[in-house]
This record gives sequence, structure tokens and C-alpha cells, in this order.
Amino acid sequence: TQLLEQSPQFLSIQEGENLTVYCNSSSVFSSLQWYRQEPGEGPVLLVTVVTGGEVKKLKRLTFQFGDARKDSSLHITAAQPGDTGLYLCAGGNQGGKLIFGQGTELSVKP
Amino acid sequence: DADVTQTPRNRITKTGKRIMLECSQTKGHDRMYWYRQDPGLGLRLIYYSFDVKDINKGEISDGYSVSRQAQAKFSLSLESAIPNQTALYFCATSDSRTSRETQYFGPGTRLLVL
Repeated sequence: TQLLEQSPQFLSIQEGENLTVYCNSSSVFSSLQWYRQEPGEGPVLLVTVVTGGEVKKLKRLTFQFGDARKDSSLHITAAQPGDTGLYLCAGGNQGGKLIFGQGTELSVKP
Repeated sequence: DADVTQTPRNRITKTGKRIMLECSQTKGHDRMYWYRQDPGLGLRLIYYSFDVKDINKGEISDGYSVSRQAQAKFSLSLESAIPNQTALYFCATSDSRTSRETQYFGPGTRLLVL
């Protein structure tokens, strides 16, 4: 059974701080997605990475896929209150399904 | 207009009642999924369908059934609701023609079973 361990589960920081969320597995994934979810809404895709070692940037967010395609990280620079939300990682296995991590609840205080 | 819609958005029901949650999409995707979300447990797959004639159980299908009425419509039924089915339910779609395995989610249905 493929599992994705996401850490930390909760993160409360001040505006302007940097943070990193990790997503780890013992399994290889063909793709890795990051989603952000706000209360009362469905997850919204932030990025998909498919190549080992791939780095993608989305404004202040940097996503990295591990060389072995077993892990990924999300780094946010100078966090803002608007970054508050639930961040989910999900791994694809080419079987048409995604394996989701437990999620990271991020709270950025002004 | 939203590409993936879910109805109802909120539902309160009683133990033993049968209820149906509906999902429609205008993205033209062939694959559709039903998940439930509980605090601290992430998203867990209930059922999925890769085309109109294909239905597959996910990791937590007991107590649920689905129907794929058309490529654009996928409904989830709780035959006899019980309190531990209280959760957020999400429908999602994906396109098998791409290799990126990305899924697109609806806004969710909040279900409370009393």
C-alpha cells in the first residue's frame, strides 16, 4: 500500500516568516500534485511535478520533487495571511488514482 | 461557471435515511471520483469511474453506492445513513488523455447524519 506522510500537520507562523512543508513516501510516484484548500471549498491545484529533481515556482511558493520521485516539498517565502489554508500533497501512480497526504493546516497571523 | 458542481452543498439527515449526492462536470473529462474528508485523515477515496460503464470501489466503499449516469454525471448514494458518515464529500474529475494525473475538485457537500 502506498502512503504519503505529510509534515507538519499544523503550522502557525507570523506574517513574513518562511516555512517548508514536506511530503514523504517509501514508494515511487509518477507525479506529485500540491493542492490548497480553503474552508468550505474544494481543493484547488497549485502545481503538478512529474520529473525527479524538478523545481517549480509560483510567486512566493517553491515546489520540489525529489530525485527519486518519493518525496516533495513546498516552501513559502515571506508568508502572508492570504496563504492560510490546508495544503495537501497527492501522488499519482499511473493507475488513475491519487494517494493523498493527511494535509498541513497553515495559519499565518498578521 | 464552475466546471465541477455538487448538489446539495449542505445536507442534514437522520440515521437510516437514504440520500443521494450529485456531481456534474463540464470539463469533458472521462474519469470521476468520490472522496470523503475527515479532520486529520486527508481525502479518502470512496468510488471511482474511468468511463460510463466502469465503476470501481475505493478504500472506503462500505455503506456507499454510486451511479455514472453519463460521462458528465456521477452520483453517490448512502443507502442507510449512519452518524459516522458525517463528513465533507468531494467529487473530482480527471482526463485520461493527459499524463499528469491531475484531479479537479467540486466545492463539496457537507453532510450531517443525526
